[in-house]
Amino acid sequence: EDKVVQSPLSLVVHEGDTVTLNCSYEVTNFRSLLWYKQEKKAPTFLFMLTSSGIEKKSGRLSSILDKKELFSILNITATQTGDSAIYLCAGLAQGGSEKLVFGKGTKLTVNP
Amino acid sequence: NAGVMQNPRHLVRRRGQEARLRCSPMKGHSHVYWYRQLPEEGLKFMVYLQKENIIDESGMPKERFSAEFPKEGPSILRIQQVVRGDSAAYFCASSPRTGSYGYTFGSGTRLTVV
Repeated sequence: EDKVVQSPLSLVVHEGDTVTLNCSYEVTNFRSLLWYKQEKKAPTFLFMLTSSGIEKKSGRLSSILDKKELFSILNITATQTGDSAIYLCAGLAQGGSEKLVFGKGTKLTVNP
Repeated sequence: NAGVMQNPRHLVRRRGQEARLRCSPMKGHSHVYWYRQLPEEGLKFMVYLQKENIIDESGMPKERFSAEFPKEGPSILRIQQVVRGDSAAYFCASSPRTGSYGYTFGSGTRLTVV
């Protein structure tokens, strides 16, 4: 059965800290890995990673995929209180289904 | 573009009643996905639909749950004879085509069964 495991499940940091969120996956016919940020409402799309070793960057957030070791990391530098959220990682398989296999998420709390 | 619209935002049903959850995809999106999020759990895939077709319903419970995406109107997730274990957040997402970039999610419907 396909699975995605995120660690840590919960993380509390101070503003200005740098955090690294981890995601390992076992997805049959893996195609891509996606990261989402979930505050109180809809998960919002952050990154989609398909190629190994190529860093994607958006402001203070960056992510990279290692297809050999089957994991991805999401880095957030100079954290702000607005980064407090649940960060979800999901694997996408090739084929017609297009379904995502999500991890349980990492709950990040950034204190002032 | 209003994004993916789900309604109602909150729904309370007594055990044994029916719940109908609606999802209007983003304009131009013809692919709809339903996910369920139980407390302290990640999002779990339920069903993937295109207009008038169910493509993959491998995540749907075998009984009481059904989904449709008619030619006109929103996608509907229907839960018959709800039980307490159905209490969860139900998210809908849409995408414009197969193999496209990350879905756009709606804000979800929080179903509470009392």
